[in-house]
Amino acid sequence: NAGVTQTPKFRILKIGQSMTLQCTQDMNHNYMYWYRQDPGMGLKLIYYSVGAGITDKGEVPNGYNVSRSTTEDFPLRLELAAPSQTSVYFCASSSTGQLYEQYFGPGTRLTVT
Amino acid sequence: AQTVTQSQPEMSVQEAETVTLSCTYDTSESDYYLFWYKQPPSRQMILVIRQEAYKQQNATENRFSVNFQKAAKSFSLKISDSQLGDAAMYFCAYRSSNDMRFGAGTRLTVKP
Repeated sequence: NAGVTQTPKFRILKIGQSMTLQCTQDMNHNYMYWYRQDPGMGLKLIYYSVGAGITDKGEVPNGYNVSRSTTEDFPLRLELAAPSQTSVYFCASSSTGQLYEQYFGPGTRLTVT
Repeated sequence: AQTVTQSQPEMSVQEAETVTLSCTYDTSESDYYLFWYKQPPSRQMILVIRQEAYKQQNATENRFSVNFQKAAKSFSLKISDSQLGDAAMYFCAYRSSNDMRFGAGTRLTVKP
């Protein structure tokens, strides 16, 4: 049982490039989330999904896109990377319901230069 | 919009002593949940404790307990018998049906 896995662990992008951050969970969780954590700050919700085929915006969705074609996978797409997107990105999943614990992946450190 | 405020960027405690981390939040919702997460240098986010807003009884998990004051919108974390392994960033978090917000965090140092 691997939990939540994210790839890559680190990435450096040039301004204007695009990339996809991968997230997979093997706990059969319905809910999945993407967060970003800027230096010295808490996590901010980018997008979330309550099940396959259903996604919704969080607090900071601009510059990102997501899809949820399966229960297990929730990739985050960055189009036209900007320096403001330099951050650590966390994927998380949880069972249905607000009380249930979110299980976090190890994070991806992204630098845009 | 919901906000979560942690007014203490840094706190320190002597090993075996007790420390309290503060958190306040702002919401107009009646149904929500509150959490404290720990983030050690490994970056892994670890759930410490959770509280349902509709429950008056404060949550407790071993050495960790909360003081939940719903009317004041306050949710503080008390760590008793502090251990060196408690040193980390601590984040207060708010969750409702369509939102999840984190505070900016409090860095806790534990002195031997």
